[in-house]
Amino acid sequence: GAVVSQHPSRVICKSGTSVKIECRSLDFQATTMFWYRQFPKKSLMLMATSNEGSKATYEQGVEKDKFLINHASLTLSTLTVTSAHPEDSSFYICSAREGRGAPYEQYFGPGTRLTVT
Amino acid sequence: AQSVSQHNHHVILSEAASLELGCNYSYGGTVNLFWYVQYPGQHLQLLLKYFSGDPLVKGIKGFEAEFIKSKFSFNLRKPSVQWSDTAEYFCAVKAIYNQGGKLIFGQGTELSVKP
Repeated sequence: GAVVSQHPSRVICKSGTSVKIECRSLDFQATTMFWYRQFPKKSLMLMATSNEGSKATYEQGVEKDKFLINHASLTLSTLTVTSAHPEDSSFYICSAREGRGAPYEQYFGPGTRLTVT
Repeated sequence: AQSVSQHNHHVILSEAASLELGCNYSYGGTVNLFWYVQYPGQHLQLLLKYFSGDPLVKGIKGFEAEFIKSKFSFNLRKPSVQWSDTAEYFCAVKAIYNQGGKLIFGQGTELSVKP
């Protein structure tokens, strides 16, 4: 199956700093990428959907100025957590889909563990 | 708004026991249905999916799921679990509208299989 990578796998940052997480589709062109947040023992919560070359669409309750998403190419999307706080500590997972339509499967990255101290 | 509900938070079974994990969703229109598995320390993997056709779908590792439209359900089953099935299982639903819809996940069910 298709492969999605994330970098870094783990990051620790100080409160108030910003951190960037990269998501890459390695063997296909991802027209659409998704960013999820997973809390311990909790489900994946969709944060935003981004289509290549367009602004991301954020889910209700997700601050777009805090979680900046850039999908500049068909193989790369980035999530920047700005002015991070301890409550932003979480597991962030990206997902990529080859097309915009329903039949296309979403492939998930391995996730990035963010710890804000 | 669409939602997905998984009935069991944590299921503990002995090896060779049969498994059924419940999943219900709320959306009246056309849906695509998925079960994902997340082994400890690993990323989400697709177990099986239903788009259309035969409501009984078979996936990898001996898993199967049945779509019952009248009950808005998509329960996951396996006749005989193994210790290696210990993992977190997520049901997910995609409502089909406009350009594809969003994948919404249930809360997850942790499966622990005792050897």
